[in-house]
Amino acid sequence: ETGVTQSPTHLIKTRGQQVTLRCSSQSGHNTVSWYQQALGQGPQFIFQYYREEENGRGNFPPRFSGLQFPNYSSELNVNALELDDSALYLCASSLEPRGAYNEQFFGPGTRLTVL
Amino acid sequence: AQSVTQPDIHITVSEGASLELRCNYSYGATPYLFWYVQSPGQGLQLLLKYFSGDTLVQGIKGFEAEFKRSQSSFNLRKPSVHWSDAAEYFCAVRVNAGNMLTFGGGTRLMVKP
Repeated sequence: ETGVTQSPTHLIKTRGQQVTLRCSSQSGHNTVSWYQQALGQGPQFIFQYYREEENGRGNFPPRFSGLQFPNYSSELNVNALELDDSALYLCASSLEPRGAYNEQFFGPGTRLTVL
Repeated sequence: AQSVTQPDIHITVSEGASLELRCNYSYGATPYLFWYVQSPGQGLQLLLKYFSGDTLVQGIKGFEAEFKRSQSSFNLRKPSVHWSDAAEYFCAVRVNAGNMLTFGGGTRLMVKP
């Protein structure tokens, strides 16, 4: 069984640029959630995708957007990058979006640095 | 909205000593509660979770946590810490069957030889 994978591992961008981060969910999982973890802080929920539709969103501006593909892999896109977007971006997959025993399995993250 | 507080940003313990990491949550009802561990350069690994029932929950790597409704707490414990336990620990809550985890700020654990 393959776990959650993310690419790239590290990324450096400049202010105003756009970035795309990728996530492959664990085998059999149809739900992907994205989190932003700033340095020294806990992860914050960005949004979740379930069967190719956005299924819940945290307090992030519209320049944070996503996609989910038929194979349940997902992309996180961030437009007009700001310095504060520098963070570790974590992807988590789960069997279903809700449910008492629904566990989220996390990938290793993508470290984004905005200069 | 729910929130999670981990009062201790850093904790240092000697190898073999006992450990308790504190977690307090704010929510009107009993949420689903989780403890995750994050090693440098790694993602989050689930240590244990509480949904209902027995308030003392056993997890992986010898960790346990106790849910105390009266104190809105879910503290993580380990009787004897190993050097490999050095990492960052996060408490998280999920409301009912919702889809969003809310994390605390984390506690960095250092282990002295």
